[in-house]
Amino acid sequence: KAGVTQTPRYLIKTRGQQVTLSCSPISGHRSVSWYQQTPGQGLQFLFEYFSETQRNKGNFPGRFSGRQFSNSRSEMNVSTLELGDSALYLCASSQRRGPRGYGYTFGSGTRLTVV
Amino acid sequence: ELKVEQNPLFLSMQEGKNYTIYCNYSTTSDRLYWYRQDPGKSLESLFVLLSNGAVKQEGRLMASLDTKARLSTLHITAAVHDLSATYFCAAASNSGYALNFGKGTSLLVTP
Repeated sequence: KAGVTQTPRYLIKTRGQQVTLSCSPISGHRSVSWYQQTPGQGLQFLFEYFSETQRNKGNFPGRFSGRQFSNSRSEMNVSTLELGDSALYLCASSQRRGPRGYGYTFGSGTRLTVV
Repeated sequence: ELKVEQNPLFLSMQEGKNYTIYCNYSTTSDRLYWYRQDPGKSLESLFVLLSNGAVKQEGRLMASLDTKARLSTLHITAAVHDLSATYFCAAASNSGYALNFGKGTSLLVTP
């Protein structure tokens, strides 16, 4: 059974640019959540998508957005990149909304570096 | 706001020794999760604790949950080098649909 696939694995962008990250959940999983991991702030919840709708959003500015497609694949977009957006972005897949009784399965992450 | 605190944040221990990592959370949460992360890698699920008094064991790791004390522990028995990693605890948010993570405990097991 294929795991959670995130692409690309690494990205280098310049301040002011925008970036799109992709996540394909485990087959049959309908929920995709995104987390940002930085050395200073640790792991922080970005948003949750279920059935193509954003159901939950963390405390991040509007520059962070996302969407989910009918096949459950999800993308997140960050516009007007800032140096502080440099982080590992992790996608988490689950059958139903949120981690619930089984927890998430995380992807390998996309490491974004903003220069 | 639900806050999750782990201690210690850094732990160096000798092989064969026992130790416990503590995870406190600030408000009511009925589910607690433990994850492991190796350097440069993603998060691997270790335990999901769903109720007060829950105890789960896998190999040299045992996790428990006391919802009344808002405390979970991860106990390491007879540590081996392969356990060197960062361990995170996370509590389910009030909505239940997100996790609030602790800062992580960086564990180094030395010969």
